[in-house]
Amino acid sequence: QKEVEQNSGPLSVPEGAIASLNCTYSDRGSQSFFWYRQYSGKSPELIMSIYSNGDKEDGRFTAQLNKASQYVSLLIRDSQPSDSATYLCAVRREYGNKLVFGAGTILRVKS
Amino acid sequence: GAVVSQHPSWVICKSGTSVKIECRSLDFQATTMFWYRQFPKQSLMLMATSNEGSKATYEQGVEKDKFLINHASLTLSTLTVTSAHPEDSSFYICSARIQGDTQYFGPGTRLTVL
Repeated sequence: QKEVEQNSGPLSVPEGAIASLNCTYSDRGSQSFFWYRQYSGKSPELIMSIYSNGDKEDGRFTAQLNKASQYVSLLIRDSQPSDSATYLCAVRREYGNKLVFGAGTILRVKS
Repeated sequence: GAVVSQHPSWVICKSGTSVKIECRSLDFQATTMFWYRQFPKQSLMLMATSNEGSKATYEQGVEKDKFLINHASLTLSTLTVTSAHPEDSSFYICSARIQGDTQYFGPGTRLTVL
């Protein structure tokens, strides 16, 4: 079992729809959770961080965390073609300062 | 977000030569920087953690004598790929950690070894 798992996709959604990206992790003591966006050929760009159970909203993005289920998700409302990218979920384990990254989910927003 | 720069953005070198990549935090001091490698269509692979003023901590399977890391100041870490070979061709990305756990990534360096 991978430490951080994501569906590789591609996830295709029409423009204006809600895109839902999911991530599960294995270390129950994990403390911090991050979503990064990576365009092809570019480095990752931080979208959101979340530390507590529940929802955290930032513009069109909402991160959801459920530590009991070891599950974190990212919702993108009113998806735009410019949102088409690979979305990486990253988790900091209970101990240490390293982030463990999932393999990423490819999102395609079709106009 | 915080700004991290890398130089060069791309480099082509001959097999057997060494290449140095610089990672700078431009508007903050970073006590910890990380070096990642990413092969095409694969996720990020952490190579090492670089702490200012101390030796880097390498991940399992990463040759410390081949990938030399120096973190001489709070704003600069360097990665030197020694005796580079074609299999070292990859996208090398650094990140810097400021407060808490958040890491900000540099733009990456694309290395091609002929």
